[in-house]
Amino acid sequence: DAKTTQPTSMDCAEGRAANLPCNHSTISGNEYVYWYRQIHSQGPQYIIHGLKNNETNEMASLIITEDRKSSTLILPHATLRDTAVYYCIVRANTGNQFYFGTGTSLTVIP
Amino acid sequence: NAGVTQTPKFRVLKTGQSMTLLCAQDMNHEYMYWYRQDPGMGLRLIHYSVGEGTTAKGEVPDGYNVSRLKKQNFLLGLESAAPSQTSVYFCASSVPGGRLTYEQYFGPGTRLTVT
Repeated sequence: DAKTTQPTSMDCAEGRAANLPCNHSTISGNEYVYWYRQIHSQGPQYIIHGLKNNETNEMASLIITEDRKSSTLILPHATLRDTAVYYCIVRANTGNQFYFGTGTSLTVIP
Repeated sequence: NAGVTQTPKFRVLKTGQSMTLLCAQDMNHEYMYWYRQDPGMGLRLIHYSVGEGTTAKGEVPDGYNVSRLKKQNFLLGLESAAPSQTSVYFCASSVPGGRLTYEQYFGPGTRLTVT
């Protein structure tokens, strides 16, 4: 599974869009990009995933570059409850394991 | 549905003691996983199971054993606890196959301290 690189921490003002970047320059053609988040002391929570096309659901949007070497998770209107560690993971859909890494600690500021 | 539950929530062990952590899921999921999370670190996979009666090693399996005798339960055992096993342990489950493997459902965690 490809390795990912994320910033260690980010701040975002409440109500503004939070844009969390992820680099995955060694991603293979059959690997998906997944995003999870972990709110303090809780188990991780699935957010969204994608292969090539941009994806949107009720929680977030995922923008994947055309060369698939990077992606951005967008929380359109961040709230205080979005303060969490966000993990970007790439994994083949046939794989059994997720490698979580250390993620980005997002702090939403009032 | 209770989802994924873990027992116990907290435990303190002395070095050399043994214990078993229980994970239960009521979603009829085939796949189950055990992770550990050390302070300031991401989750690391210990062992996982792709079905009843099967187990496989993950990233950090040493010092742990697992069993999946029933589809809904996944047990993690520490035979001789060491201080290095102080951590928060998370269990997860998922449905196998194609796009459905994208979402793992996590339990609330077990905080284990080994003194």
